Amino acid sequence: DVVMTQSPLSLPVTLGQPASISCRSTQSLVFSDGNTYLNWFHQRPGQSPRRLFFRVSKRDSGVPDRFTGSGSGTEFTLKISRVEAEDVGVYYCMQSTHWPRTFGQGTKVEI
Amino acid sequence: EVQMVESGGTLVQPGGSLRLSCAASGFTFDANAMNWVRQAPGKGLEWVSSIAGSADYTNYADSVKGRFTVFRDNSRNTLYLQMNRLRVEDTATYYCAKGWSADSWGQGTLVTVSS
Repeated sequence: DVVMTQSPLSLPVTLGQPASISCRSTQSLVFSDGNTYLNWFHQRPGQSPRRLFFRVSKRDSGVPDRFTGSGSGTEFTLKISRVEAEDVGVYYCMQSTHWPRTFGQGTKVEI
Repeated sequence: EVQMVESGGTLVQPGGSLRLSCAASGFTFDANAMNWVRQAPGKGLEWVSSIAGSADYTNYADSVKGRFTVFRDNSRNTLYLQMNRLRVEDTATYYCAKGWSADSWGQGTLVTVSS
């Protein structure tokens, strides 16, 4: 199975400051069609997860542009340019290139 | 508006069975793969199973293979998860999610396996 490793697991942030989360995979996430199926999700306390990015850097509708997804192969990053209060919660990466699908452990972002 | 509503979660004894449902609306159901993802209390997300839009392909996590069955009724826009031989470690909120890359999620339904 592809293991997804996120760091850090806990990220204290300051409002208005940048933040960054790393996600590494034990195998390349490049699929046979040439696409890389790496996704990012955000889960606020008491809510369902919401997808933020698919295929590494494609932002979902309604996601603020202060969020950026980047990376390739086995190393990926989610960046927030200026943290806002609504950004608290847990962030997960998930690969949908290989079976079984696998998630990172989650990174808890708190002010 | 895309919407998924899960139901069927409840308290069940170890070794028991349960069927979860996910009623979908707001999109072309049979054109989309669907997934079940679970989250144990206070823990992270764990993928459980996926099924293609035409139901001609399914896949399962090793932890549930042989005990859980995913299926769908495209005439009713509903996804199901039949769970047999339940274990204490199956206790979790179960979410259905749309598409191979889980672009939309339901609110979840809680399954508690305990004696």
